[in-house]
Amino acid sequence: SQQGEEDPQALSIQEGENATMNCSYKTSINNLQWYRQNSGRGLVHLILIRSNEREKHSGRLRVTLDTSKKSSSLLITASRAADTASYFCATENTGGFKTIFGAGTRLFVKA
Amino acid sequence: GAVVSQHPSWVICKSGTSVKIECRSLDFQATTMFWYRQFPKQSLMLMATSNEGSKATYEQGVEKDKFLINHASLTLSTLTVTSAHPEDSSFYICSARDSLSSYNSPLHFGNGTRLTVT
Repeated sequence: SQQGEEDPQALSIQEGENATMNCSYKTSINNLQWYRQNSGRGLVHLILIRSNEREKHSGRLRVTLDTSKKSSSLLITASRAADTASYFCATENTGGFKTIFGAGTRLFVKA
Repeated sequence: GAVVSQHPSWVICKSGTSVKIECRSLDFQATTMFWYRQFPKQSLMLMATSNEGSKATYEQGVEKDKFLINHASLTLSTLTVTSAHPEDSSFYICSARDSLSSYNSPLHFGNGTRLTVT
């Protein structure tokens, strides 16, 4: 099962621009996580934000969480060609131990 | 950092045969591991939760007799695709969480196995 939607499904930007991806989910959560996947590879964890947190930063990444709207956003600033990948949000539901993934956003950064 | 090793990275098999995929946590213990399936350009679909020393918990719609999961130790889970058919061709990814970590901790992923059934 999938938790929710991500938008946009695909995003193409120029190097140096910022990229914003949004994620919505359906149930109550313990935390929300963002992962990156290069084509044909496993996932790499980027950042985890707990349900009682509203914003978190890590390097060029900024994540926000709005539990009232059941939504999150991932901002990548000053994008690089090497940021080209698929990005997935994932949620760990309250009362459960499973991590469920969103549909993902395919980001393409043109050099 | 925590490393999860998944083997093989790719496999081609004939229809009707069985394929075993291994998932090992190399530097941590994992009471629970998760198996996901991913179709091209799509998201990860959770197939089952693998529990050390007990039966796996399968998601709705996943055939437990088709996808056999064994989690015999704290560092190894295996997924066996039995009597594989072309529709089983997919990218299978395992993940694990360090048993010593709280639930507010990320998953560590293997690099996936691309299965092609001819």
